[in-house]
Amino acid sequence: EAQVTQNPRYLITVTGKKLTVTCSQNMNHEYMSWYRQDPGLGLRQIYYSMNVEVTDKGDVPEGYKVSRKEKRNFPLILESPSPNQTSLYFCASSTDFLFRQFFGPGTRLTVL
Amino acid sequence: GESVGLHLPTLSVQEGDNSIINCAYSNSASDYFIWYKQESGKGPQFIIDIRSNMDKRQGQRVTVLLNKTVKHLSLQIAATQPGDSAVYFCAETPGANSKLTFGKGITLSVRP
Repeated sequence: EAQVTQNPRYLITVTGKKLTVTCSQNMNHEYMSWYRQDPGLGLRQIYYSMNVEVTDKGDVPEGYKVSRKEKRNFPLILESPSPNQTSLYFCASSTDFLFRQFFGPGTRLTVL
Repeated sequence: GESVGLHLPTLSVQEGDNSIINCAYSNSASDYFIWYKQESGKGPQFIIDIRSNMDKRQGQRVTVLLNKTVKHLSLQIAATQPGDSAVYFCAETPGANSKLTFGKGITLSVRP
C-alpha cells in the first residue's frame, strides 16, 4: 500500500530534550516536506527536500533541522525543543514539486 | 482523533444538498491551486487541482472554479454525503520552486 508513515504518532517531552520524528514513504517520491499545523494558523511549511541531499527552508524553519540521506526517509529533528513547538506535524511527499502531495497521519508533539 | 478545526469557519449543509466552499487568495502570481480535505485524526488528502489558465475543472462529484479577477477559488461538492464532513483547505503556489501556501481551512458539517 502506497503510504507515508510517521513515528511516533504522539510524543510528550520536556524543554531541551532532543528528539527526532521519522518520516518514510514507499512511493519513490523525490519531493518531501514537513508541515506544522496549529489552530487558526493552518498548515505552515517547515522544510522541504527536492531530492536526496537537497533541502530548503520553508516558512517556519527556526528550531528545526532535517536531513535527506535516502530518498524514502526525511526525519525532522528538534535539537532543543521549546513549548512553542507544541503542534501537530505532518510529513508529505509527491512526485512533483509541491503538487498532489501525499500526507502522513501526523505526529502530535507536546513540549512541556 | 486529532482536532485541527478549532476556531475555523463552519459550513453546515443538509445531506444530499450541494456544498460550496470558498477561498480567497492574495498572490496574483499564483499559478496553481489545490484543494485538500482533512478528516478528523488524519492527514490532508488531495481532492482536485486547477491551473491558472483554466477557470473550471470537474472531478468525481467535485468542481473547482477559479476567478482570477477577484482572486477567488471555490470547491463545489454535489450531493453532499456524511463522509464529506471534514476540514477543507485551499492551497496556492506560483509554481515550481516556489512555496505552497495553505489557507486556514473551513469545516464542512453535513446534517443527516
